[in-house]
Amino acid sequence: DGGITQSPKYLFRKEGQNVTLSCEQNLNHDAMYWYRQDPGQGLRLIYYSQIVNDFQKGDIAEGYSVSREKKESFPLTVTSAQKNPTAFYLCASSSRTGTNQPQHFGDGTRLSIL
Amino acid sequence: EDQVTQSPEALRLQEGESSSLNCSYTVSGLRGLFWYRQDPGKGPEFLFTLYSAGEEKEKERLKATLTKKESFLHITAPKPEDSATYLCAVQPLGGTDKLIFGTGTRLQVFP
Repeated sequence: DGGITQSPKYLFRKEGQNVTLSCEQNLNHDAMYWYRQDPGQGLRLIYYSQIVNDFQKGDIAEGYSVSREKKESFPLTVTSAQKNPTAFYLCASSSRTGTNQPQHFGDGTRLSIL
Repeated sequence: EDQVTQSPEALRLQEGESSSLNCSYTVSGLRGLFWYRQDPGKGPEFLFTLYSAGEEKEKERLKATLTKKESFLHITAPKPEDSATYLCAVQPLGGTDKLIFGTGTRLQVFP
């Protein structure tokens, strides 16, 4: 079954710790995205990548980092510089960039502070 | 500034009671408008894309329509399994694929 797999489902971060969220897709999509969802707010774009080895900052990139070494994978690291990391993190992908192809989402990772 | 506003924030319907959800948007140019369904603890599930004013799309009990300023998601004779949060997002014209999301409408359908 083709889709987007995010892991882990739940993650806990200690003070001063970096944590990495995994996102893998087997849809052969070129573009991948990371969003953050907070209660009462719309999804906000953290980073996106339109092609391997290239990525761009979204609206709220501070305190986060990404890499795109393989087409299928787009991991997100939440660094200790992100002072309010508690949120639901969603990864998405779409087949072509520069078009109105829909973005398809994984089932998210919920990050909490210990 | 590009913006999306959804209303109402929450909606309770009895099974079979039809209604509509609203998505108002302000963008300099629209590449596409997207509707998603999100169940608790899950990622959004894609429903429809609308590209131009006057366009309509249907899927089972759902029908989405688009004007130059807003989109409606009409739910006909809803069932309890239609209970979810419905998200609207717009993709502005331009060089990125950025989606701008509204805060969603939480729909509850009770028997």
